[in-house]
Amino acid sequence: SYELTQPPSVSVSPGQTASIPCSGDKLGDKNVSWYLQRPGQSPFLIIYQDSKRPSGIPERFSGSNSGHTATLTISATQPVDEADYYCQAWDRNTVVFGGGTSLTVL
Amino acid sequence: QLHLQESGPGLVKPSESLSLTCTVSGTSITSSDFYWGWIRQPPGKGLEWIAYIFYTGKTYTNPSLKTRVATSVDTSKNHFSLRLSSVTAAETAVYFCARQSHSYDAFDIWGQGTVVTVSS
Repeated sequence: SYELTQPPSVSVSPGQTASIPCSGDKLGDKNVSWYLQRPGQSPFLIIYQDSKRPSGIPERFSGSNSGHTATLTISATQPVDEADYYCQAWDRNTVVFGGGTSLTVL
Repeated sequence: QLHLQESGPGLVKPSESLSLTCTVSGTSITSSDFYWGWIRQPPGKGLEWIAYIFYTGKTYTNPSLKTRVATSVDTSKNHFSLRLSSVTAAETAVYFCARQSHSYDAFDIWGQGTVVTVSS
C-alpha cells in the first residue's frame, strides 16, 4: 500500500520560515493536500492540489510538490501556527494520510 | 451555512459493531460535486481514512478495513452512515465525517468529530 512519510516534529522561531516535508514514491505525480489541526479541534484544509489555498487561508501558507517530496512552507510563522499538520494524497481512488508533523513555534 | 454533524453511540463493546451517522446541513448530499467521507483518529495518533461514498451509494473503502466496513446514504434525510463490525479496543478514536470536493480533490469541510470508545 502507498505510504506518506512526515517528520514527527519541526521547530521554528516566531517570524521565521517553517518547512514541513511529506515524502512518497513518485509523489510529484499526485495531487497533495495539507491539513492543519489544533488540539481538540477538527482538521481543516489549508492547501489543495499541491499549492492552492482555499478562501480564507493566509498567503504565508504555501505548498510545492516535485519528485518524491511535497513541502508545506509557512512564512513569518506565528505562535497561532503551532499545530499538527497532515499531508494527504490519492492512490488509485484510495486516500492516504501522512503520519502528521507537530509544529512547535518557540 | 454548511455543517456536518456526526452522531452515534459513544461506547461500543469489543466484537460488536460501531454505527455512526453524519447529518449534512446547508447543502444537498445529492450534489454530483462531492463525495462524503469518514476518517478516524485514535487518541494521540494521526488520521486514518476509512471510506468515502457518493450519493448513489458508490463507495471506496480503505483496503485494510474493507471486510468490516459498510456505508450507506439516505438522501431523504440528507445523511450518510458508517457501520464498522467486529471492533477492537484499538479502534477507540475520534471519528470524523467530511466532505470531499471534486474541485479541490480534498476534504474541504469536516465535522467536529465524535468520540467512540470500544470497551466492555
